Amino acid sequence: DQQVKQNSPSLSVQEGRISILNCDYTNSMFDYFLWYKKYPAEGPTFLISISSIKDKNEDGRFTVFLNKSAKHLSLHIVPSQPGDSAVYFCAASDIYGGSQGNLIFGKGTKLSVKP
Amino acid sequence: DADVTQTPRNRITKTGKRIMLECSQTKGHDRMYWYRQDPGLGLRLIYYSFDVKDINKGEISDGYSVSRQAQAKFSLSLESAIPNQTALYFCATSDVQLAGVLGEQFFGPGTRLTVL
Repeated sequence: DQQVKQNSPSLSVQEGRISILNCDYTNSMFDYFLWYKKYPAEGPTFLISISSIKDKNEDGRFTVFLNKSAKHLSLHIVPSQPGDSAVYFCAASDIYGGSQGNLIFGKGTKLSVKP
Repeated sequence: DADVTQTPRNRITKTGKRIMLECSQTKGHDRMYWYRQDPGLGLRLIYYSFDVKDINKGEISDGYSVSRQAQAKFSLSLESAIPNQTALYFCATSDVQLAGVLGEQFFGPGTRLTVL
């Protein structure tokens, strides 16, 4: 059973508009969430994270929102740029729990930003 | 120079062959991981190691073994490769002491393995 779900395999957005990538989780013990970006032929690279004590974290054009009651997080990219076209993975961890801080990844969402 | 390197980058082998994928890191991290990525399945954890003497099975360890030769080196072996082990394999590292960003992992570029 998937503990981290990214229900949209793909998303297409026009350059300059907002991209919203969604992620749902089922394990209420998760207390740390991360987004990774992956370009073809490269390894995933860390983008932004949020701990469960916050509901928002911002870094430049990237903002992650966490809704603990809904077990939902989202990544907003504003404005979207063609270079943002990549696969985005949501990941979660229960740092102090049984997973020993290991990450559970979603299946990824492929974002395409069209010029 | 890359902080996390993987060799080989691409490998084609035949069913039944033994294969070793190697990972080296210069980040000085204690924790190292092996993942595989399959289309539509995201990243799944095969093995992880918190230090040279601490190796643990991940979600999908069957058919794989690992060796942590040193803090900087973590290798993954397929003792007898089978076609459904065809996948993209990633090594990753993390630093347990980075408070506030615990859990962030740094990935290598990946090894594309094809088992015929």
